Amino acid sequence: SYVLTQPPSVSVAPGKTARITCGGKNIGNKNVHWYQQKPGQAPVLVISYDNDRPSGIPERFSGSNSGNTATLTISRVEAGDEAGYYCQVWDSSSDHWVFGGGTKLTVL
Amino acid sequence: QVQLVESGGGVVQPGRSLRLSCAASGFTFSSHAMHWVRQAPGKGLEWVAVISFDGTNKYYADSVKGRFTISRDNSKNTLSLEMNSLRAEDTAVYFCARVGSTWYVLSYWGQGTLVTVSS
Repeated sequence: SYVLTQPPSVSVAPGKTARITCGGKNIGNKNVHWYQQKPGQAPVLVISYDNDRPSGIPERFSGSNSGNTATLTISRVEAGDEAGYYCQVWDSSSDHWVFGGGTKLTVL
Repeated sequence: QVQLVESGGGVVQPGRSLRLSCAASGFTFSSHAMHWVRQAPGKGLEWVAVISFDGTNKYYADSVKGRFTISRDNSKNTLSLEMNSLRAEDTAVYFCARVGSTWYVLSYWGQGTLVTVSS
């Protein structure tokens, strides 16, 4: 089955740029979606189809996807961005939806 | 606005069954595929199952296939998950989620309901 690999944690100072990676075999050939989840809350879609921002998501959030790595980039990080972030793809070979293990973003 | 409210969680013994429900409102339920996703305590998200807008297509994670059944009642705007032969490893918060423009992305999520499998 298809596997997505994320770093367990990323730390960044306020105002700086955070980059969260999602690795998978030829992931550049797939559509990647990103979710933000704060403690005790439901996930929220922040990026769909590699780099589309849903309504209400700040422009500070962007995505890219190429080769074996997709990346969620958060510019001008704020304290409120501290959360878990999950990448997700659809695996056509198994008709399964697959999530990465998640990355905890800490704002220093 | 889109609202998804899960219910039916609780404590259940291993080997027993439980049925979860998800009440949908604020959109045309019969036009959208729906997913169940779960999250074990302190762990990441795990996709469980999906059902097409009309209920004709269903897919399951390997970990639940043969034990869980996803269904929907479009006349009642309700999504369900019948869980049989429950195991300790099924302990999790279960979220229902509505798809976006296609069923590959989960655009709206409920708050979840906790299922605890324990003797």
